[in-house]
Amino acid sequence: EPEVTQTPSHQVTQMGQEVILRCVPISNHLYFYWYRQILGQKVEFLVSFYNNEISEKSEIFDDQFSVERPDGSNFTLKIRSTKLEDSAMYFCASDREEGYNEQFFGPGTRLTVL
Amino acid sequence: GESVGLHLPTLSVQEGDNSIINCAYSNSASDYFIWYKQESGKGPQFIIDIRSNMDKRQGQRVTVLLNKTVKHLSLQIAATQPGDSAVYFCAERRNNQGGKLIFGQGTELSVKP
Repeated sequence: EPEVTQTPSHQVTQMGQEVILRCVPISNHLYFYWYRQILGQKVEFLVSFYNNEISEKSEIFDDQFSVERPDGSNFTLKIRSTKLEDSAMYFCASDREEGYNEQFFGPGTRLTVL
Repeated sequence: GESVGLHLPTLSVQEGDNSIINCAYSNSASDYFIWYKQESGKGPQFIIDIRSNMDKRQGQRVTVLLNKTVKHLSLQIAATQPGDSAVYFCAERRNNQGGKLIFGQGTELSVKP
């Protein structure tokens, strides 16, 4: 069964450093998302991406965040200058289409900012 | 403010019993709802979904009920098994707001053998 994959599974970084989280969505999917989950809290939407551009972003997704689909398979989330409060699980998700269908989630990357 | 939330943070059931997990939502524009299961250290896993033009949908051992009058969603798990132990989230998509999901707080289900 096709699945969304994410690397690394765990990233530890110093405050102020840049991190890039990587995702490989399901191959025939067209819509891509990043969510985050602070420990013990609910999953929060960050950004959606379609046709090589951002379709929607939340207020969390400020100018320290960026997303990119550098080739036909990868989808990345970059945090330019990490803060302590960026520590969370980051989930990538993908969809065949918008609307009434399942959104598939990856296993997540645990980001720890020291 | 608008939110999707859960009534109870934890639920403990005996193996073999039925489980009911509840969710309240506040935006009547929401037209699609999904239940996800999240096991420790893993990403959310789709369980079942329902559109707002339905009030009940059944899957394998799971049933989702939607009551639009009181903006309430529930997930029923029949014959709960130890493998059902996880955190369960309801999520909504709002009409004309693209594909993003709005998640509730989550209920931790614990199944006692």
